[in-house]
Amino acid sequence: RKEVEQDPGPFNVPEGATVAFNCTYSNSASQSFFWYRQDCRKEPKLLMSVYSSGNEDGRFTAQLNRASQYISLLIRDSKLSDSATYLCVVKGGRNTNAGKSTFGDGTTLTVKP
Amino acid sequence: GAGVSQSPRYKVAKRGQDVALRCDPISGHVSLFWYQQALGQGPEFLTYFQNEAQLDKSGLPSDRFFAERPEGSVSTLKIQRTQQEDSAVYLCASSLALASGGNTEAFFGQGTRLTVV
Repeated sequence: RKEVEQDPGPFNVPEGATVAFNCTYSNSASQSFFWYRQDCRKEPKLLMSVYSSGNEDGRFTAQLNRASQYISLLIRDSKLSDSATYLCVVKGGRNTNAGKSTFGDGTTLTVKP
Repeated sequence: GAGVSQSPRYKVAKRGQDVALRCDPISGHVSLFWYQQALGQGPEFLTYFQNEAQLDKSGLPSDRFFAERPEGSVSTLKIQRTQQEDSAVYLCASSLALASGGNTEAFFGQGTRLTVV
């Protein structure tokens, strides 16, 4: 079992749709959480950090449930430019170097006109 | 540009050949990470440096893989006697963060796509 697991996808949605991605992690002592975005054949780029209280950045909302070891990303009013792979990232934890980030395999989103 | 720079962008190696991949992190970034990304998967951690010290090499898949960062800036990932299963994109990332972690962004280079034939 991978340390960070994500919805396998792919998600194909029309423009304007709301879509949610889920992620679970196995190391209960993990310290920091992120969503990264990766376009085809490009490098990953930080989309947003995820805080325990939940946080929002425009159309994007991230939630963290430490008790359930669950992270989510909600995208509202999807745009064509949101098409990408979304990577769930967990950093640090028990028996893990605090600087080490562990990535999920990503969920691919395609937004269609 | 001031981003993370990796070279070469593409490398084709014959099985058994040694390769060296270079990473120039963002100036002043203390932490440097190497990841291996196979097609359709997320990046897999290989190794981590804080300045010149290699603090974690638990992800290196075999003793054919070696990384160094002798002066605490540029890093080289070397793969000896390459095998077909080494074919992947090798990503380098740097961040300001120290080993204490925290919500510090890691910036990735564009990667080196290694194909072993």
